[in-house]
This record gives sequence, structure tokens and C-alpha cells, in this order.
Amino acid sequence: QQPVQSPQAVILREGEDAVINCSSSKALYSVHWYRQKHGEAPVFLMILLKGGEQKGHEKISASFNEKKQQSSLYLTASQLSYSGTYFCGTEVPGNQFYFGTGTSLTVIP
Amino acid sequence: DSGVTQTPKHLITATGQRVTLRCSPRSGDLSVYWYQQSLDQGLQFLIQYYNGEERAKGNILERFSAQQFPDLHSELNLSSLELGDSALYFCASSVGGQTFYEQYFGPGTRLTVT
Repeated sequence: QQPVQSPQAVILREGEDAVINCSSSKALYSVHWYRQKHGEAPVFLMILLKGGEQKGHEKISASFNEKKQQSSLYLTASQLSYSGTYFCGTEVPGNQFYFGTGTSLTVIP
Repeated sequence: DSGVTQTPKHLITATGQRVTLRCSPRSGDLSVYWYQQSLDQGLQFLIQYYNGEERAKGNILERFSAQQFPDLHSELNLSSLELGDSALYFCASSVGGQTFYEQYFGPGTRLTVT
């Protein structure tokens, strides 16, 4: 039930792009993306709803494939501040919510 | 700063004891969520309250209970504590009644059970 994220970890140089994937075995009502820095709370990045509605930060983009029960987060022109662990969160039927396995992103100068 | 406050920041207690974690949502938010984060189980949804009513229930143990008060603050009660309950407990809030809309997390309470 916990969605699986890939890759588990990625290291980027400043300015490079990255894609983080989230795959669920259950039908999804919505997908959320959060970033958590070490020792801090998760911070909301984006929500994608069935039907195509999206809400999030300007510099973050994501996709949601309802049929495949997958979502991808696109990070472009990465900055040092992008480092952290990225979690997808999935809302599934039955009023349940599951966070993914997490992707550790490190941006180096 | 998300605007969500949690107390205490740290809590150390012994097995078998009972503790209460407190959360105050952002001004204007009606929903409160509780999460547990541990190394072995990751981030797990426990329970959601909306305007005083339980709205959704996740992987919350029977030894745990929560409530949301008329002033919208929430408390998570953990009883008969076990070593495995040691974790970071987050509270989050959101403005709407829609389940699991965008959530703003508090700084967390780190619980250590010895």
C-alpha cells in the first residue's frame, strides 16, 4: 500500500535536472509531493488531483497518470536549496493516505 | 515557520506510561492530521479531524487516541507505551474539509520511550 518511489537517492550538480517517480498499487484520488530537510518537518510542494487540477509552487512541476497510478516530480535547474528527501503522498479510496518510500536528493556545487 | 505549533518538542518517558502531545493548527485551518515518522516505517498517517469530528483514520494503534477541541487544537494520546513507539510525531493542518488537501506540518514532537 505504501507507494514506491524511484530513485531511492540521487546526486546532482547545481543546474542539473531530476525526475522523481512515485508508483502506487492502488487507485489514486490525489498525489501530493513534500520535501523534508534533515531534522525538519515536511514542506508542501504540490498536489495533483484526479481530473487534472494542480496546485503548487511555481518552480515545481509534476505529472499524474491516473490510469497507471503514477506521478512524477520534475526538478529543473536544481539549486543547493533543493537538497532533502522528497516524499509523495497518495490519497486512495477509503479515506486513506500513504506516504512513499522517499527519495534523497543531494545537490552539490 | 508553517504556523502550526506542537508541544512538547521532546519527550522522554518509560515503557508502560501515557503521554499527550498537543497541536495548534494554523489560524483559519479546520483540519488537523497526525503522523508518525520512524526509521523503519517511514511517515505514516494516523488520523485526521475536521472541525472537531474524526474524518479519516489510518494506521493508528488502539493504544493511541486523538481528539480535536472546540478551539481547534488537537491532542494525541499515547498509552501503554512500548519501545517501538519511539518516533517523531508530526501534526499538520489544512484549511478545508476535503480529506488530505495541502497540509502544513508542525515542527514535530520527538518521543523517546526507554
